[in-house]
Amino acid sequence: GAVVSQHPSWVICKSGTSVKIECRSLDFQATTMFWYRQFPKQSLMLMATSNEGSKATYEQGVEKDKFLINHASLTLSTLTVTSAHPEDSSFYICSARDFTRGSTGELFFGEGSRLTVL
Amino acid sequence: EDKVVQSPLSLVVHEGDTVTLNCSYEVTNFRSLLWYKQEKKAPTFLFMLTSSGIEKKSGRLSSILDKKELFSILNITATQTGDSAVYLCAVDRSGGVDNYGQNFVFGPGTRLSVLP
Repeated sequence: GAVVSQHPSWVICKSGTSVKIECRSLDFQATTMFWYRQFPKQSLMLMATSNEGSKATYEQGVEKDKFLINHASLTLSTLTVTSAHPEDSSFYICSARDFTRGSTGELFFGEGSRLTVL
Repeated sequence: EDKVVQSPLSLVVHEGDTVTLNCSYEVTNFRSLLWYKQEKKAPTFLFMLTSSGIEKKSGRLSSILDKKELFSILNITATQTGDSAVYLCAVDRSGGVDNYGQNFVFGPGTRLSVLP
C-alpha cells in the first residue's frame, strides 16, 4: 500500500525556537496533504490542507503565521512551528490520499511527530 | 455543525469477547466513512464504507454502514490483547469526483482495552 513518511518522529526544542516537520509520500504523488494535531487521549484535529504549488488552507482557529506550511513538490510537505512555546507541545500527524493508482482514495498517515517544547 | 460521535468512549473487555463500536454522524455532502485503528502512533486504515448494508470484513473485524440512519458499527470478534487501541471513525465530506480536497471529520475515538 501507499506509504507516507514523517520526520522527525521525536523532537525536543527550547521555547522560542522553530521546528520543521517533513511529510513525504514515498511511492505516490500527493497534490494535497493534510496536517493534524492530536492532544493526549483526544482525536485528530485537522490544522490545515497543504496544496502543492499554492498556499495552504488553514482551519478556523489555526494561526497561519505560527504554523507555516510549504508544499514545494508533489511528494513533500513541511510544517514549521515558529517560535514554539510549551503549549505547542503535541503530536503532529500528516496524511495524504493516493489517487494515482486507482485506489479507493483512503488516507494514508505518516508516523507522526511528537513535539515537546521546553 | 458537522459532527461525528462515537460510543462508547472507553471499553474494557477480556480476551475472547466480542465488541461492537458505534459511530454516528451528521455531515453535509457525505462521501464515505472510514475506520482507523490507532495504537501508539499514527492511525492505520481499517475500512472505508460508502454504501449502506454492505458488510466489509477483514479477519475478526467487520464493519457496516447505514446511510439512512447515519451510523456505522465496527465489530471485533474473539478479541485479543493486540486489539487494544483507540478506534477512530472519520467521515469524508468531500464533494465531487474532481474534488481531491479532503474534508474529514474525526470522532473522538473509542479506547478499547482487552485484558488477558
